[in-house]
Amino acid sequence: KNEVEQSPQNLTAQEGEFITINCSYSVGISALHWLQQHPGGGIVSLFMLSSGKKKHGRLIATINIQEKHSSLHITASHPRDSAVYICAVNYNTDKLIFGTGTRLQVFP
Amino acid sequence: SAVISQKPSRDICQRGTSLTIQCQVDSQVTMMFWYRQQPGQSLTLIATANQGSEATYESGFVIDKFPISRPNLTFSTLTVSNMSPEDSSIYLCSAGDWSSYEQYFGPGTRLTVT
Repeated sequence: KNEVEQSPQNLTAQEGEFITINCSYSVGISALHWLQQHPGGGIVSLFMLSSGKKKHGRLIATINIQEKHSSLHITASHPRDSAVYICAVNYNTDKLIFGTGTRLQVFP
Repeated sequence: SAVISQKPSRDICQRGTSLTIQCQVDSQVTMMFWYRQQPGQSLTLIATANQGSEATYESGFVIDKFPISRPNLTFSTLTVSNMSPEDSSIYLCSAGDWSSYEQYFGPGTRLTVT
C-alpha cells in the first residue's frame, strides 16, 4: 500500500526556534510536495521536490530518494508560521497521496 | 503558477438540499481535481474533472452524489447533492499540468450541513 507518514503530528515551538517536520513514503515517487494549510482552510503549495534541496525564505525542503524521506525546516520560526503542514507525493500518477499533516503552533 | 478562486467560500445548508461550488483558474490547465477534507482529517480525492467529458471518480464517490462539470480548461463546478450532516467538510479545488506534477490549490469552500 502506498502510504505517506509524517512526524510529529503536533509541534509546539517558541518564536525563533528551528523547526523540522519529517515525511516518509513507501515506494519510488515522481514528486513530493510540501503544503501549508491555515485555519481558514486554504492550501498553499510551498515546495515540489524530486531530488535535492530547495529554499524559499526561511523555509528549506530536502529529500533523500534512497531513504524515501523528506524534511521541511523552518528557520527563525514566527507565530505566523502556525499552520498545518502537509506532505504529499505523486506515485507516478497525477494524483496526490497525502500525509496526515503536522499541526505547528509557534508562540511569541 | 496558477491562481485559483472558489465560490462560495463558505455556506450553511439544510439537509436534503444541494450546493454547487465553482472553481476558476486564472490560466489554462490540463488537470483539475476536487478534494474533500472532513474535520480533523487529511484531504481525500473525490474526482478528476475532465474537460469535455465525464469526471473520473475515486472509490467511494459517485456521480449522482457529486456531479462535476468542466466546460473548459479554466473552470469547473462540483455539486454536493441531497446533503446530509456527514457532508460537512471543506471542499477544495486544485489544478495543475500532468507533465510537471505541479499542483495549485484553491482557498476551499467550508460547508456546514444542518
